[in-house]
Amino acid sequence: ETGVTQTPRHLVMGMTNKKSLKCEQHLGHNAMYWYKQSAKKPLELMFVYSLEERVENNSVPSRFSPECPNSSHLFLHLHTLQPEDSALYLCASSQSVGALGQGTGNTIYFGEGSWLTVV
Amino acid sequence: AQKITQTQPGMFVQEKEAVTLDCTYDTSDPSYGLFWYKQPSSGEMIFLIYQGSYDQQNATEGRYSLNFQKARKSANLVISASQLGDSAMYFCAMRPYNTNAGKSTFGDGTTLTVKP
Repeated sequence: ETGVTQTPRHLVMGMTNKKSLKCEQHLGHNAMYWYKQSAKKPLELMFVYSLEERVENNSVPSRFSPECPNSSHLFLHLHTLQPEDSALYLCASSQSVGALGQGTGNTIYFGEGSWLTVV
Repeated sequence: AQKITQTQPGMFVQEKEAVTLDCTYDTSDPSYGLFWYKQPSSGEMIFLIYQGSYDQQNATEGRYSLNFQKARKSANLVISASQLGDSAMYFCAMRPYNTNAGKSTFGDGTTLTVKP
């Protein structure tokens, strides 16, 4: 069983809809992330949270709105998306946002992903 | 800037045989970590193995081992005794020691197909 769970696994939404993606991590980590994975493009880091505080927003359009109510939960609120936003959205967590440490090197652990289709 | 190159877009291997997935990297940082992830068609990105640039021994994790050749800047993943469930996309990633956790650089991936 994965330590990072995402719901829903699949979402189809119209361009005028409002929906949310949910992520929960059971690893006791302090950092959480949203990534976007589009076909034929490298993984894109969208948002970084450390202890519920957003520490990074990588020029993501405002139609994507993250929320981190506590260190175990992360949401991605979606509003007036475009068809080009269709992608796999991956949530991830790590022990901290900091640099590599001992052992497994502050590894990023990903969830199962949410497949988003915007029609 | 960091770069990861995975030169094999697709690989085939017979069940129960070993397979090597190539990964070369480019960085000017003296200290870094290397990671391999597996992504089945379902989408989940599964962490497989980690190698630190200063680790004396090559990392192993069950059927996975990392053939780390620092001078060549390569970090190939070796999967022994392939199973049908190993069919997936495999990503190599790296991150310098002084870089925050979310900012790993990922390769384009290699699709592995295990034949029965």
